[in-house]
Amino acid sequence: DGGITQSPKYLFRKEGQNVTLSCEQNLNHDAMYWYRQDPGQGLRLIYYSQIVNDFQKGDIAEGYSVSREKKESFPLTVTSAQKNPTAFYLCASSILLGAGELFFGEGSRLTVL
Amino acid sequence: AQTVTQSQPEMSVQEAETVTLSCTYDTSESDYYLFWYKQPPSRQMILVIRQEAYKQQNATENRFSVNFQKAAKSFSLKISDSQLGDAAMYFCAYRRSGGGADGLTFGKGTHLIIQP
Repeated sequence: DGGITQSPKYLFRKEGQNVTLSCEQNLNHDAMYWYRQDPGQGLRLIYYSQIVNDFQKGDIAEGYSVSREKKESFPLTVTSAQKNPTAFYLCASSILLGAGELFFGEGSRLTVL
Repeated sequence: AQTVTQSQPEMSVQEAETVTLSCTYDTSESDYYLFWYKQPPSRQMILVIRQEAYKQQNATENRFSVNFQKAAKSFSLKISDSQLGDAAMYFCAYRRSGGGADGLTFGKGTHLIIQP
């Protein structure tokens, strides 16, 4: 079935460590996104990408990095520079034009110990 | 920048009753798209309904309908015959047209409780 796969579902990290969250889609979508979700805050955009080897910062990009080496993949690295990384992270994809809805993965829960 | 406001952090409704969730947005664009997403306890985001701003007719999907007031920049969701499975967080979202590759702007959500 077509969809978006995020892994791992749960991740624990010690302070000072970088961690990478995986996101893979087989929907043949050009655009991919990373959102962060905190209680009472809704979803906030971290990074997005329209095309391979190109990506743009969203509203809260500080302390995060991404890559887009393949159309299907858009991994997110949470670096040690991120002050408060404990959160729920959602990856999404969509077509570029028109009223394309975002399709979401099941999310990854990151906890910093 | 566009903003989306959901003024009701939590709503409660009796099973089989009707409930309306509010959403307002701010934009200088004339063409755009609006969405309601549902996030159940599993945390999977599910599209409930979509509205194109250039369409005057309100979108409807089975028990879910919207009241789109473009001049007032209001986009409320009505759920009829509420069911226990409707219990979830509901997010209103905005997307600009013309290739809005910067994704959706979300409100902070409304937690909907269904009383049996």
